[in-house]
Amino acid sequence: AQSVTQLDSQVPVFEEAPVELRCNYSSSVSVYLFWYVQYPNQGLQLLLKYLSGSTLVKGINGFEAEFNKSQTSFHLRKPSVHISDTAEYFCAVSGSAGNKLTFGGGTRVLVKP
Amino acid sequence: SQTIHQWPATLVQPVGSPLSLECTVEGTSNPNLYWYRQAAGRGLQLLFYSVGIGQISSEVPQNLSASRPQDRQFILSSKKLLLSDSGFYLCAWSVKYEQYFGPGTRLTVT
Repeated sequence: AQSVTQLDSQVPVFEEAPVELRCNYSSSVSVYLFWYVQYPNQGLQLLLKYLSGSTLVKGINGFEAEFNKSQTSFHLRKPSVHISDTAEYFCAVSGSAGNKLTFGGGTRVLVKP
Repeated sequence: SQTIHQWPATLVQPVGSPLSLECTVEGTSNPNLYWYRQAAGRGLQLLFYSVGIGQISSEVPQNLSASRPQDRQFILSSKKLLLSDSGFYLCAWSVKYEQYFGPGTRLTVT
């Protein structure tokens, strides 16, 4: 069985400051990792994914994440946030079968001017 | 390109009434399809997934059912809604690893 823990339920951050959202997972098999963003009253949008290869993954909107197998982590970072980054962010993992995703509880990012 | 549609966008239904939410995908063949529920202040809960026409797997026992009458159509139903069925319902599709989500249906049971 897989599980995903997002350590911060809410992260307030000032505009143009950096932000890091933490994600840890547990799995007995090789995993594929994802970050999604959800704006209010909308569906989830894929930010980035790790399937294999380079452990540093770059996504849309200036976000990047680093896969750390030894620490079973996949933290999301952005060097300078905008007001428009205010949203909820979900980390997710799937096993080698790739059929189902297990989601973390989400992290609400509030960007303040 | 692929597109996923959900309707209705919002729905207010009384307790005990039936429910039918529809999801359709365009631009891909034989996708895996998923229904999720997002209750207020909570994360995503996988309700059903389907790997093909007529093939439905249920993740949690509940008051809901799902059907896949066509390759790119996924329907979520209930015969009698409960207050606890309120939430934001999301449909998603995948072909390989990542899933792509629809715009969601906000269901309020009164």
